[in-house]
Amino acid sequence: DTGVSQNPRHKITKRGQNVTFRCDPISEHNRLYWYRQTLGQGPEFLTYFQNEAQLEKSRLLSDRFSAERPKGSFSTLEIQRTEQGDSAMYLCASSSVGTGNTFRSGNTIYFGEGSWLTVV
Amino acid sequence: AQSVAQPEDQVNVAEGNPLTVKCTYSVSGNPYLFWYVQYPNRGLQFLLKYITGDNLVKGSYGFEAEFNKSQTSFHLKKPSALVSDSALYFCAVRDLSGGSYIPTFGRGTSLIVHP
Repeated sequence: DTGVSQNPRHKITKRGQNVTFRCDPISEHNRLYWYRQTLGQGPEFLTYFQNEAQLEKSRLLSDRFSAERPKGSFSTLEIQRTEQGDSAMYLCASSSVGTGNTFRSGNTIYFGEGSWLTVV
Repeated sequence: AQSVAQPEDQVNVAEGNPLTVKCTYSVSGNPYLFWYVQYPNRGLQFLLKYITGDNLVKGSYGFEAEFNKSQTSFHLKKPSALVSDSALYFCAVRDLSGGSYIPTFGRGTSLIVHP
């Protein structure tokens, strides 16, 4: 169990280019979340998957953003035609369905180290 | 709707002194409450959570938090602060009645522990 893994950790791109981030959740977790964090702010929810189904999307997720989780395991977040306002850290997190109060039980989401995006 | 407020942008404390980082929440039903810590350029690390049971919850690195339903608060505490505790702290809430599995996070509080 290596925790939530995100790649790349840092990405610098020119305005107008497309970028894709990958997230590998904790292996037994079937819920996966994407959040965005800008300086001085807390994480803001973007989208949520249970297995391969995308169940919720925030209004923050414009048409330029798309997320997939094709086999219910890893997920990708793609941003098309990037804008300078997209510069942020993109956080992936996962959780399990199980209940209980154990460390890896449901209800708690565990974050990856984040992917920093800088749009120049 | 669920929301959480962290009223202090920054908390300063001397090493060895007790620390408190404040959090208040708003939910329609019963809350799940969480604290996370974030070090520079890193993701969020889970510290502790309240779901049911004892109002005093103990977590990682000597931190604890007290759930107070009447005051809708979930303050983070530690009896003796360390310089290495200096970081950003985030409170989060999930409303059990809403049917959503998505926590809402506060804006964060920067904890600075002075040697």
